[in-house]
Amino acid sequence: EAGVTQFPSHSVIEKGQTVTLRCDPISGHDNLYWYRRVMGKEIKFLLHFVKESKQDESGMPNNRFLAERTGGTYSTLKVQPAELEDSGVYFCASSQVLGENEQFFGPGTRLTVL
Amino acid sequence: SQQGEEDPQALSIQEGENATMNCSYKTSINNLQWYRQNSGRGLVHLILIRSNEREKHSGRLRVTLDTSKKSSSLLITASRAADTASYFCATASGSYQLTFGKGTKLSVIP
Repeated sequence: EAGVTQFPSHSVIEKGQTVTLRCDPISGHDNLYWYRRVMGKEIKFLLHFVKESKQDESGMPNNRFLAERTGGTYSTLKVQPAELEDSGVYFCASSQVLGENEQFFGPGTRLTVL
Repeated sequence: SQQGEEDPQALSIQEGENATMNCSYKTSINNLQWYRQNSGRGLVHLILIRSNEREKHSGRLRVTLDTSKKSSSLLITASRAADTASYFCATASGSYQLTFGKGTKLSVIP
């Protein structure tokens, strides 16, 4: 069974540019989550999809971040325009069932904004 | 301190020794999970312990949970060089989002 995949693995952009991160969850997992870890801080929750619907986007830092999950399969996270403080590692995770199931994480995308 | 705060921040041991990492949290939880992250890699789920469980084993891993003290410990027995990684505890409360600590960086010296 393929795990959660993320693309790209690394992205280096300049301040003001746009970047789109992609996450492919494990097949059949309705729940998809985005997290990020900025330098020296904890891994923080960003948002949660159930299929194509946003269930909770309370962790999204501001309106420069837009997440979508059209069709309930893969998800994209767009940052526009990127700022220096957006640098960090963005993780995607998926789970089959809400609640007590483990979340399976992808390898992350390391974003560097110069 | 943060929810899901690990202790110590860094731990260095010899191969074959046991490694113990602790995690404290503040709010009530549904479950607590431990993850491992090798350098430059993603998070790998190690073990989940529910709030009504006190101890759980998986291979060389042993996790305890004390909800009265809001703390958990992860014990890795007979450590190997391949266990070198960062270890994170994450708590799941009423919602589904996980709250992570900053992690413990474990170094196992061959």
